[in-house]
Amino acid sequence: AQSVTQLGSHVSVSEGALVLLRCNYSSSVPPYLFWYVQYPNQGLQLLLKYTTGATLVKGINGFEAEFKKSETSFHLTKPSAHMSDAAEYFCAVSFVNSGYSTLTFGKGTMLLVSP
Amino acid sequence: SAVISQKPSRDICQRGTSLTIQCQVDSQVTMMFWYRQQPGQSLTLIATANQGSEATYESGFVIDKFPISRPNLTFSTLTVSNMSPEDSSIYLCSVEVGGDYEQYFGPGTRLTVT
Repeated sequence: AQSVTQLGSHVSVSEGALVLLRCNYSSSVPPYLFWYVQYPNQGLQLLLKYTTGATLVKGINGFEAEFKKSETSFHLTKPSAHMSDAAEYFCAVSFVNSGYSTLTFGKGTMLLVSP
Repeated sequence: SAVISQKPSRDICQRGTSLTIQCQVDSQVTMMFWYRQQPGQSLTLIATANQGSEATYESGFVIDKFPISRPNLTFSTLTVSNMSPEDSSIYLCSVEVGGDYEQYFGPGTRLTVT
């Protein structure tokens, strides 16, 4: 069975500081991993994904994540936080069943950015 | 990517009634998904809708409560039947696009049951 654990329901940073949102996964097969962002009263937007190949993946809005198989982690980072980054972030892992995939989401981490 | 719209964007309904949520995609897709996001919670998959076949429901969700239609490759509906306050949630549809299993989400339907 697949699962995703996001450490910290809330993370607070100052504007300009490093953003680090943690995600660990459990999967019996090589995973496809995703980070989504949800702004207030909006749907989910795909930030970035890892499928195969390069373990450091870059996404939109300056975010990146590194797949570490040995640590079963896929942490999301951004060198310098902006006020506009305040949102909820979800890590997800895909599970392939009968030719299509379903996503299992973590519980989400709310990123708070202070001036 | 894909552009997805949902109707209605929000609604307030009385208990015991039903609401049908529509999901429209700007391109033809094989797989569509319906999720529920309860207040302050993560997303939970309700069912997977493949055009031309019955929807596949996840554990804890049944067709009588959440009937789904998928009449063509760009459209799906989810009905929340015999609603109770516990059904108050955001309901999101998504589609799978491309070969890497990534999903794109609609803006969601915010449902409040009184």
